[in-house]
Amino acid sequence: NAGVTQTPKFRVLKTGQSMTLLCAQDMNHEYMYWYRQDPGMGLRLIHYSVGEGTTAKGEVPDGYNVSRLKKQNFLLGLESAAPSQTSVYFCASSQGWTDTQYFGPGTRLTVL
Amino acid sequence: DQQVKQNSPSLSVQEGRISILNCDYTNSMFDYFLWYKKYPAEGPTFLISISSIKDKNEDGRFTVFLNKSAKHLSLHIVPSQPGDSAVYFCAASGLTGANNLFFGTGTRLTVIP
Repeated sequence: NAGVTQTPKFRVLKTGQSMTLLCAQDMNHEYMYWYRQDPGMGLRLIHYSVGEGTTAKGEVPDGYNVSRLKKQNFLLGLESAAPSQTSVYFCASSQGWTDTQYFGPGTRLTVL
Repeated sequence: DQQVKQNSPSLSVQEGRISILNCDYTNSMFDYFLWYKKYPAEGPTFLISISSIKDKNEDGRFTVFLNKSAKHLSLHIVPSQPGDSAVYFCAASGLTGANNLFFGTGTRLTVIP
């Protein structure tokens, strides 16, 4: 039981490049989330999903897209990376609306 | 605008003493509060929570206190242990609507042996 895993752990991009971050959970959770953490700020919700095939915007969705084609996977895409997207990205999942969120180890992304 | 604030970026305490971490919030619609603990290179892990119908919740060495009128909560760790050294995040949400957690900026706790 690996919990929540994230791929890759580190990535460096040039401005304008695209990439996809993968989050996988093996707990059969309905809800999945993508957060970003920046220095001097708390984690902020980018997008979330309340079930397979559904996605919704969080607090800071601009510049990102997500997809939840399979229940266990939640993908975060950057179509045209910008230096402002340099951050640590965390994925999380939970079973229900108010249940504890379990976090992955994070992906450190640098956009030059 | 930061809706959940942790005004102390760091805290150092001696092993065996009490650690008190504080958190303030501005949104009166928040009714569920959590503390997460984070070690370097790992994701946050859930520590303890409290709903607005309570003013105290205890789990072993960890106790969370909620003062709704002051929009303030605190986490007490007694006794503090070196393994408690980590960054602690306070988070808040409303039970209605999305499970959208609003996080504070974190307090780095160092427990000195």
